[in-house]
Parts: sequence; structure tokens; C-alpha cells
Amino acid sequence: DQQVKQNSPSLSVQEGRISILNCDYTNSMFDYFLWYKKYPAEGPTFLISISSIKDKNEDGRFTVFLNKSAKHLSLHIVPSQPGDSAVYFCAARLSAYIFGTGTRLKVLA
Amino acid sequence: EPEVTQTPSHQVTQMGQEVILRCVPISNHLYFYWYRQILGQKVEFLVSFYNNEISEKSEIFDDQFSVERPDGSNFTLKIRSTKLEDSAMYFCASSAETRSEQFFGPGTRLTVL
Repeated sequence: DQQVKQNSPSLSVQEGRISILNCDYTNSMFDYFLWYKKYPAEGPTFLISISSIKDKNEDGRFTVFLNKSAKHLSLHIVPSQPGDSAVYFCAARLSAYIFGTGTRLKVLA
Repeated sequence: EPEVTQTPSHQVTQMGQEVILRCVPISNHLYFYWYRQILGQKVEFLVSFYNNEISEKSEIFDDQFSVERPDGSNFTLKIRSTKLEDSAMYFCASSAETRSEQFFGPGTRLTVL
């Protein structure tokens, strides 16, 4: 039962360009969404969050967009940097957090 | 900057043995969690803990698993009789409030032989 899906397992982007990571969910009761970044052999690191009452939240190079009617969440990274290369997970909260399967982002120098 | 710590970083055990994974959450946080990630798969919720009791658990968290906050700083996950399929990275997390972001530890890699 995949309530939170990240359909792209990997993404490659040139340094300086925009990275767009996507996440789809099925449960309209989710009320809070987060993006985490994970490097190998480390725990997930919180990046940015958005409440279901908003449609956009911005923090520096990171912007999260929420389209509730489409049940779709996206993370934009502008400009992308080589240090952004990692696996990105979206997570949605009902009572506990449910994670997507992750998208491996590679930013090419 | 405060962080969640976990020990050990890697635990190797024989099938059927008991293991205890340890976590020190961020000191002023009140909500504690365990997650696991089997190699190549997604991060899965195991259990949440608040006010010295389990507030929620997933179907993965069966009778073989237990959690405890034995003192004011540690939060432990015990697996009573490990199985091969328990091999995974186990992440501890903590949060200040139930609906705020969770801060993760670096994980413990559990290998069951």
C-alpha cells in the first residue's frame, strides 16, 4: 500500500539549473508534508516542510509546492549545486509519517 | 547544534539473539520515534513514543520489538529474537512537538547472520 510515491528513482541535473523532485500521495487526510535529504551512511536530514493549508513554502534555494487537488508535492532546488547530490525523500503525516521511496539526485558539475 | 545520536553504528548478531539499539534524542524533545530502512527500500515507520508510552506503532512492530526510555536521556529499541529479515538500518528520531519536523540520528546498521 504505497500511500506516498516518488515515481522517479533518479534524476540528473546540471549544476546551476533547477532540480524538480516530485511526490504523489493518495490520502487526502495527510495534513503535513516534509522533504528530507539523505546521504549514504547517514540519517535523513530535514530540509523543508509544508502544511496542507498552504500551497508554497520557500527557504533559500528550496521551495516546496503543494497541489492538493492533484495530491502532488514537488521540491524545487534553484540553483542546483553538486553538494545537493543525495537521495531525497518526501514524507506525509497522518498520525505517523509515511515516507516515499526516494529519488536519487545527481548534480553534475 | 543539538543532534540525535545512536550507538552502536554497526551491530552484528546471530539469528535468535537479542539486540538493543540505543539512541539519545535531542534534550528538549518530547516525542521519539524508531524507523528502519532495509537496503534498497524506503524508510519505514516502526513506533512513536511520548510520555513514557507508545503512542503509535506499525504492523512491523510486533511482539519481538519493544521500546524503553530507561532514564531521562536514552531511548532504546530492543529486538528479542532477531531474524534474518531484521537486517536493516535503524534510525531514531525526535521532535519537539507531535506535528513538527523530526530530527534523525545517523542510524545503526543491524546485520543478522
